[in-house]
Amino acid sequence: NAGVTQTPKFQVLKTGQSMTLQCAQDMNHEYMSWYRQDPGMGLRLIHYSVGAGITDQGEVPNGYNVSRSTTEDFPLRLLSAAPSQTSVYFCASSYRGTPGNTIYFGEGSWLTVV
Amino acid sequence: QKEVEQDPGPLSVPEGAIVSLNCTYSNSAFQYFMWYRQYSRKGPELLMYTYSSGNKEDGRFTAQVDKSSKYISLFIRDSQPSDSATYLCAMSVDTGNQFYFGTGTSLTVIP
Repeated sequence: NAGVTQTPKFQVLKTGQSMTLQCAQDMNHEYMSWYRQDPGMGLRLIHYSVGAGITDQGEVPNGYNVSRSTTEDFPLRLLSAAPSQTSVYFCASSYRGTPGNTIYFGEGSWLTVV
Repeated sequence: QKEVEQDPGPLSVPEGAIVSLNCTYSNSAFQYFMWYRQYSRKGPELLMYTYSSGNKEDGRFTAQVDKSSKYISLFIRDSQPSDSATYLCAMSVDTGNQFYFGTGTSLTVIP
């Protein structure tokens, strides 16, 4: 049981380049989301999905794109990288139900835009 | 005003001390309250969750929720060096819904 798998773990991009952060989960969770974590800002929601074919914006969606073609995969695309997108990115999945409300996070992707 | 406020610390305590971590929130609709622990360069992992008000105990950890004051706490008894991490509170209105995180409190337990 791999849980939530993110790739790559580290990436350096030049301003203006595009790239995709991959995320896959093997727990058959309905909900998947992407967060960025910055010092003093905590975890901020970028985009989320409540199921295959359905996505929605979170708190900080600008400059990012997502799609959810399958239950398992939820890639995050940076369209034209900017230094302000230097951050640690976490993919997460969760299930709807009780008890609990557990979010499972990936290991993180450290992105630097120069 | 942010939805969730958390003192970032850092907090440094001697081994064996009782640690108190706290968050306040503004949205009275929050019903699910969680504490996550995040070790350096790792993803957060769920430590405890509570539904609505009350206390929940798990080993050395106790989570408290006071909805009337919009205040939640995590207590760590007999703290250990392995407890050194960043602790994030999180809350949501519904199961599987959007989660709102605090900024995290950095804790160091000194042997």
